[in-house]
Amino acid sequence: EVQLVESGGGLVKPGGSLRLSCAASGFTFSSYMMNWVRQAPGKGLEWVSFIGTSSSYIYYADSVKGRFTISRDNAKDSLYLQMNSLRAEDTAIYYCARDRSLRGGYSYGYDYWGQGTLVTVSP
Amino acid sequence: EIVMTQSPVTLSVSPGERATLSCRASQSVSNNLAWYQQNPGQAPRLLIYGVSVRATGIPARFSGSGSGTEFTLTISSLQSEDFAVYYCQQYNNWPLTFGGGTKVEIK
Repeated sequence: EVQLVESGGGLVKPGGSLRLSCAASGFTFSSYMMNWVRQAPGKGLEWVSFIGTSSSYIYYADSVKGRFTISRDNAKDSLYLQMNSLRAEDTAIYYCARDRSLRGGYSYGYDYWGQGTLVTVSP
Repeated sequence: EIVMTQSPVTLSVSPGERATLSCRASQSVSNNLAWYQQNPGQAPRLLIYGVSVRATGIPARFSGSGSGTEFTLTISSLQSEDFAVYYCQQYNNWPLTFGGGTKVEIK
């Protein structure tokens, strides 16, 4: 059974940092591209970042570019999101999501999602 | 950036009736369009990809159609578990973008 379990969320002050993790199981993690998607309270979905299987392809939404860094450790079946210079508008549930794509640098939508971890940025 | 616009924002439907949800892209996304369902307090679930291909385990009452810039998700006979929020997403161009969602509620 495919499982994605996020952790690392919490309350942080504006300007602070947080590192999210996503532990994957039930599939060959190194073969799949991965994503972070977020959802502000009561709002819709926003794609945040994408990473290819060997980290050769990495993309970010403009709203987080220069502040967030996506990475992965295929030996540990884990995905990460380092978030720096956090702002109130970064407050959201952060989901990791497995990409359907097996083609480098391309996304074909997300077939599995974790349950999310809540990040709250507030003084 | 491709803007995805969903309509209506809220759709009131009786159980057993048909629901038709629309999604429009600001430019062509070819057939690179997916639909997701999200129930309250839960993660989204993939329903449809490639405009019309049902994801694994998705019932046949869900169908997708369209091309280019105009897309439709149809739920042929609404069941209680189908009352949820639905999002379309284009994956033709970076950044990937979602529509604002359509909430399907019980009439």
